[in-house]
Amino acid sequence: GIQVEQSPPDLILQEGANSTLRCNFSDSVNNLQWFHQNPWGQLINLFYIPSGTKQNGRLSATTVATERYSLLYISSSQTTDSGVYFCAVVEAGGNQFYFGTGTSLTVIP
Amino acid sequence: DTAVSQTPKYLVTQMGNDKSIKCEQNLGHDTMYWYKQDSKKFLKIMFSYNNKELIINETVPNRFSPKSPDKAHLNLHINSLELGDSAVYFCASSQVGTAFYEQYFGPGTRLTVT
Repeated sequence: GIQVEQSPPDLILQEGANSTLRCNFSDSVNNLQWFHQNPWGQLINLFYIPSGTKQNGRLSATTVATERYSLLYISSSQTTDSGVYFCAVVEAGGNQFYFGTGTSLTVIP
Repeated sequence: DTAVSQTPKYLVTQMGNDKSIKCEQNLGHDTMYWYKQDSKKFLKIMFSYNNKELIINETVPNRFSPKSPDKAHLNLHINSLELGDSAVYFCASSQVGTAFYEQYFGPGTRLTVT
């Protein structure tokens, strides 16, 4: 199956700082999503972004499908942004989602 | 309105017991999934059902058996529970059809086997 790698694995930020999380995948995809798993364990949809750029408040995401990566930008981070961020992809022609290994983000006040 | 719901949220049981986790989605999606999240937070698919038919069955012990009475429900039954089954189990749903669309997750069920 497709390999999905995320970097960095861990990130600690001061409140108010900006950050970029990366998701690399080893093959063509026809679906890519970013999720936030909050400290209570809930998986929250952030973006459905198989290609292009989207923005939602302080968060934005860009997927460059031809180069097999996606970026999640968090601006003016808040303590409530803490948690684990996952990307998940569906390989082109595939029938299931593969999750990346996640980036654990801690935002300190 | 809860889109994908799971019950119970917590499940503590002893080795050897049989237990079930229920999942329901009210999004009208045609495909439902079960995932297992291990202690290192890695999420891996276990099963996928499309319109009540099994389409994905990853390498999972046959003690785990999914059942889909209709396309809004996908339950997970586990026989003869083992310590290694302790994990968080997530149900999810999406609309597939000719393309894969967004997945939505339930709140998870934390299973602890003692």
